Amino acid sequence: GAVVSQHPSWVICKSGTSVKIECRSLDFQATTMFWYRQFPKQSLMLMATSNEGSKATYEQGVEKDKFLINHASLTLSTLTVTSAHPEDSSFYICSGRKQGGLSYEQYFGPGTRLTVT
Amino acid sequence: QKEVEQDPGPLSVPEGAIVSLNCTYSNSAFQYFMWYRQYSRKGPELLMYTYSSGNKEDGRFTAQVDKSSKYISLFIRDSQPSDSATYLCAMSALVSGSRLTFGEGTQLTVNP
Repeated sequence: GAVVSQHPSWVICKSGTSVKIECRSLDFQATTMFWYRQFPKQSLMLMATSNEGSKATYEQGVEKDKFLINHASLTLSTLTVTSAHPEDSSFYICSGRKQGGLSYEQYFGPGTRLTVT
Repeated sequence: QKEVEQDPGPLSVPEGAIVSLNCTYSNSAFQYFMWYRQYSRKGPELLMYTYSSGNKEDGRFTAQVDKSSKYISLFIRDSQPSDSATYLCAMSALVSGSRLTFGEGTQLTVNP
């Protein structure tokens, strides 16, 4: 149990365009979802935390108008990278946590590799 | 200074070796310590978690926490090629409602 999927697994887009990444919890209800970014050989950096039906809370330094997060249902969250630039190229990973789940009880998706040309 | 420091490796060992992976941290508020395994192009999966100082064993894996030194370790006994992955330590201050702070990850290769 506790499977999270992401779509697409990889995407290439042109600079200036927008791209949407979906994160789905397949067999549980994720009241909280997290979005991370991971650059090569670097740690996972938390971008934002979203609770179902509420606005996302962004980490310091993350532009909320550039990285739009929607958590409209208990099984789906989306991250839209608007006006993407090459420096946005990274590995984006989401995770979901059940209601009442402990800090470490996050179930991670397989990630989406974004390349902006 | 990073809150969590982890040697990125790479670390290469022969099959059957004992592997030691370590992290240091600076935030004394951290009380919950986790180890994740991440295969290439996959998301992390939780291996072990510990609370406060002490040891925890699960099969071939042992996690140690020394809060006085702000140092945590993961030992892998009888390492197997299937253990080849990146290992990330992570920490949080609270048991719930708290963010995870990750180390950089150590890339491990176990050679048959």
